[in-house]
Amino acid sequence: EAQVTQNPRYLITVTGKKLTVTCSQNMNHEYMSWYRQDPGLGLRQIYYSMNVEVTDKGDVPEGYKVSRKEKRNFPLILESPSPNQTSLYFCASSPSSWGSQHFGDGTRLSIL
Amino acid sequence: GENVEQHPSTLSVQEGDSAVIKCTYSDSASNYFPWYKQELGKRPQLIIDIRSNVGEKKDQRIAVTLNKTAKHFSLHITETQPEDSAVYFCAASGGNSGYSTLTFGKGTMLLVSP
Repeated sequence: EAQVTQNPRYLITVTGKKLTVTCSQNMNHEYMSWYRQDPGLGLRQIYYSMNVEVTDKGDVPEGYKVSRKEKRNFPLILESPSPNQTSLYFCASSPSSWGSQHFGDGTRLSIL
Repeated sequence: GENVEQHPSTLSVQEGDSAVIKCTYSDSASNYFPWYKQELGKRPQLIIDIRSNVGEKKDQRIAVTLNKTAKHFSLHITETQPEDSAVYFCAASGGNSGYSTLTFGKGTMLLVSP
């Protein structure tokens, strides 16, 4: 089954404790992206990747890092999480930056 | 960068009525406009999209129209059903930020009452 898999689905952690949210897709898509969703603000793009070893900032990249060492994986790294990064995070992939994006099920992060 | 405004923020209709959600965008170079539906607790899913070389696109009860001159596009849902209740997001890309950046509107919560 074609899918984008995020882990964990839920995480409660504390300020400053490094965390990684993994994202993996099995559709051989070149394009991957991370979004955060906050009430009243919609979906905002954090980072995206056009292909392996190619990443770039979206609209809200501060406090986040990503890497794309393999085509299928695109982890989101919070080196020193803060409470304002409490949010619902979605990973998405697409055959190219042109195409419709296929979203994962989301990761709800709570940073205390 | 691109800015997408979406209205209304909430929309209540009776089952069988039509629903219209409107979006405006700021970057005249944008030329890809998808619509996503997000049910409560679920991921956004693409329901329809349109590219700038087309003025209208239909898929059963859903249609999208695009007015490039006015820089706005709309989602039309006819014969609404309770299962259409969800949050709908419009988005735009392909402008000066390239196709890599997809800018979303803030969403419209559609409630269809039986």
